[in-house]
Amino acid sequence: GAVVSQHPSWVICKSGTSVKIECRSLDFQATTMFWYRQFPKQSLMLMATSNEGSKATYEQGVEKDKFLINHASLTLSTLTVTSAHPEDSSFYICSARELARTPPYEQYFGPGTRLTVT
Amino acid sequence: RKEVEQDPGPFNVPEGATVAFNCTYSNSASQSFFWYRQDCRKEPKLLMSVYSSGNEDGRFTAQLNRASQYISLLIRDSKLSDSATYLCVVNVMDSSYKLIFGSGTRLLVRP
Repeated sequence: GAVVSQHPSWVICKSGTSVKIECRSLDFQATTMFWYRQFPKQSLMLMATSNEGSKATYEQGVEKDKFLINHASLTLSTLTVTSAHPEDSSFYICSARELARTPPYEQYFGPGTRLTVT
Repeated sequence: RKEVEQDPGPFNVPEGATVAFNCTYSNSASQSFFWYRQDCRKEPKLLMSVYSSGNEDGRFTAQLNRASQYISLLIRDSKLSDSATYLCVVNVMDSSYKLIFGSGTRLLVRP
């Protein structure tokens, strides 16, 4: 149980276009989903936290108008990278947390989406 | 200063060696501590939680020193399959349930 999927697993897009990444919890209800970004040889950096039905909370330095997050249902969150530029090329990973899961800090990670902007 | 700091390595050790990783965290309000393992181009996977009394899981032993804000991971009898990046992770246990990741320590186990 507790499987999180991401789609696509990799994507190449041209500079200036927008890319949508989906994160789904397959066998549980994810009340909270987290979006991370990881550049080569660096650690995961939390971009934003999203709770189902409410606006995402972005970390300092993350542009909310550039990285649009929607968490419209308990099993799906999407991250849209708008007007992508080569510096947005990165590994984007989502994780999900289930309400009432013990322990409460436990997060289940998706397999990640590798974005390359040319 | 980074919230969670680790030696990036790499640690290059022969099979069967014992290797130790250290980690320090800056937020004294941190409540929960973990070691994750991340293979190249993959998502992180939980290796073990770290408890105040220290805990062991097979060849892996984790220790926590709250006074020094220091966490360690010891791997005994290293296997080739242990080659990966080991991430030190803390949680402040506020309402956000955020995990804060260290930059990781890379381990290479050679035959």
